Parts: sequence; C-alpha cells; structure tokens
Amino acid sequence: GAGVSQTPSNKVTEKGKYVELRCDPISGHTALYWYRQSLGQGPEFLIYFQGTGAADDSGLPNDRFFAVRPEGSVSTLKIQRTERGDSAVYLCASSLIGGTQPQHFGDGTRLSIL
Amino acid sequence: TQLLEQSPQFLSIQEGENLTVYCNSSSVFSSLQWYRQEPGEGPVLLVTVVTGGEVKKLKRLTFQFGDARKDSSLHITAAQPGDTGLYLCAGVGSGNTPLVFGKGTRLSVIA
Repeated sequence: GAGVSQTPSNKVTEKGKYVELRCDPISGHTALYWYRQSLGQGPEFLIYFQGTGAADDSGLPNDRFFAVRPEGSVSTLKIQRTERGDSAVYLCASSLIGGTQPQHFGDGTRLSIL
Repeated sequence: TQLLEQSPQFLSIQEGENLTVYCNSSSVFSSLQWYRQEPGEGPVLLVTVVTGGEVKKLKRLTFQFGDARKDSSLHITAAQPGDTGLYLCAGVGSGNTPLVFGKGTRLSVIA
C-alpha cells in the first residue's frame, strides 16, 4: 500500500524566499507530524495535527513557520522569509490515531537555502 | 525538556562482530522506540519497548528497556553489511506528547 508521500524531494531556493512543503499521509491516518532533521542530528519535533487542528505546535521555531491541514489529510508546511539556518531535511509522519501509535515516516524534503 | 543521549555516535565494525548501542535519559518515558534510517529515506520503526526490563528480539537484534524506563540498549549479534545505517531511539511520553529523538548512532559494517 502507499506510504507517506512528501513533495518535493529536494528544494533549493534563495534566502528570503517563501517555500511550501507538502505531505500526503497514509489514508485513514488521523494524526500527522512534522519534524526537522539537521545534518548529524535526530529528527526534531515541529508540529502535530489531530485531524484538521494543530494539537501541538510547540516545536515551531518562530513565526516564519506555519503548517495547515485543512481537510484532515494533506498537510503543507510553509516557511516565510527563509534563512540559511532553515536548511535541513523536513520529515512528515502519520499514525492511525496519534498518542503512542507507531509513526510512519515519509522520505523527507531536503531543503537547501542558498 | 526531555533529552535522549545516544552512544556511541559513530561505530565502524567488521562483518560478524557484535555491538551494543545505548540510549540514556534522566527522564522516564512511557515507552521507547528504535528506528533505523538509511540515507535519503525516513526512519523506519524497528521495535517499541513498553515495560521496564522488557527484552524484545528481532532476528539478530535484541532490544532492552531499562527497569526504570529511562534507558534502552540495542545489541546486534554477528553484524552484517545490511545492518549499516543510522539507529535512532525515540522516547514516548504520556498522552499525546511528541516523540523525543536521540541524535542517533551511525553504524557502518564492513564486509
């Protein structure tokens, strides 16, 4: 069956630009998570959706980062006025109902800010 | 803030050797998960340990959760080149708190 799909797989843009990263979770999974993984680090939590609402956005580093999930399925992570420090792999994961349920990860979007 | 420390950070061994990777915290977790991640891919869940003192085996991999649920270990017997990858532990808190990941152990098994 289809796993978590993330697009684009790679994104290169200039400092100051706006980017959108898309995540298609596994069908039927109500919980969706965004993580950021910098080189040599483990994934770092950004935001968690339960259905359409953000249940926990405590990991978003600042107000340049925003995420939506308008219909409870696809989610978009939006980054405004990108900075070189935003360069990382952005991972999306989904799980059946959240909580302690196993999370299934996509292959990530590698974002490079020049 | 809950933190997970993994050691060693890097490990390079010959095929057939045994190894142990450690995951330690000062915090108690309701459960702990181990993932393996290969270059260009997302982490893949290997196992979840829930009960203090629990031991789980997955072929040549043995996972143990500490009695106090603050630490865990992963032991690989007779490592194979296919075991090469980044091994991540992740702590699961109570309720819907997000996963807390360690920095990972990068394992290289040389044929």
